[in-house]
Amino acid sequence: KQEVTQIPAALSVPEGENLVLNCSFTDSAIYNLQWFRQDPGKGLTSLLLIQSSQREQTSGRLNASLDKSSGRSTLYIAASQPGDSATYLCAGSNTGNQFYFGTGTSLTVIP
Amino acid sequence: NAGVTQTPKFQVLKTGQSMTLQCAQDMNHNSMYWYRQDPGMGLRLIYYSASEGTTDKGEVPNGYNVSRLNKREFSLRLESAAPSQTSVYFCASSEGFYTGELFFGEGSRLTVL
Repeated sequence: KQEVTQIPAALSVPEGENLVLNCSFTDSAIYNLQWFRQDPGKGLTSLLLIQSSQREQTSGRLNASLDKSSGRSTLYIAASQPGDSATYLCAGSNTGNQFYFGTGTSLTVIP
Repeated sequence: NAGVTQTPKFQVLKTGQSMTLQCAQDMNHNSMYWYRQDPGMGLRLIYYSASEGTTDKGEVPNGYNVSRLNKREFSLRLESAAPSQTSVYFCASSEGFYTGELFFGEGSRLTVL
């Protein structure tokens, strides 16, 4: 069974800092990988999808990468803003879109 | 632009009661999913429907049934609710089972007393 670990569990940074969130999988044979944000009491919002043939995706200030040899992914957030405060979840699948989720990193960006 | 819509948003049940959670998507997606989210645990897949007319068990299917009513709608039924099924339930959809990102609904909070 796939286990997903996200480090750190919580992170507090001043506005403007660049930061990295980490995600690792016990089974490194990742097919698709997706990063989400979740605001309190809300659903999940998709941030970036790395599909089977890809290793990296970028959207605005966000960059996600996947190292399939180690089963590790990172989400890089540049120039953090208070609006980035949320819980960030990574999810990976070994086949199709049957995803396994981490428990998330709770990010607080202090103005 | 509704995306994925779930009903109801909140529900309280007594042990042994039954209920159905409804989910509809308006993105013409082929694949739909039901997840549950519990404190301290990642989201876990209950059932999924890779395409209209098919359903398959996910990681935690016991105590649940699903119906893919048509391409838009995918329902989750609890036949005899148990306190262990107290959770937040999320429906999601994607263009295909092997392609496309997951889009989630806002969630349905279920409490079983």
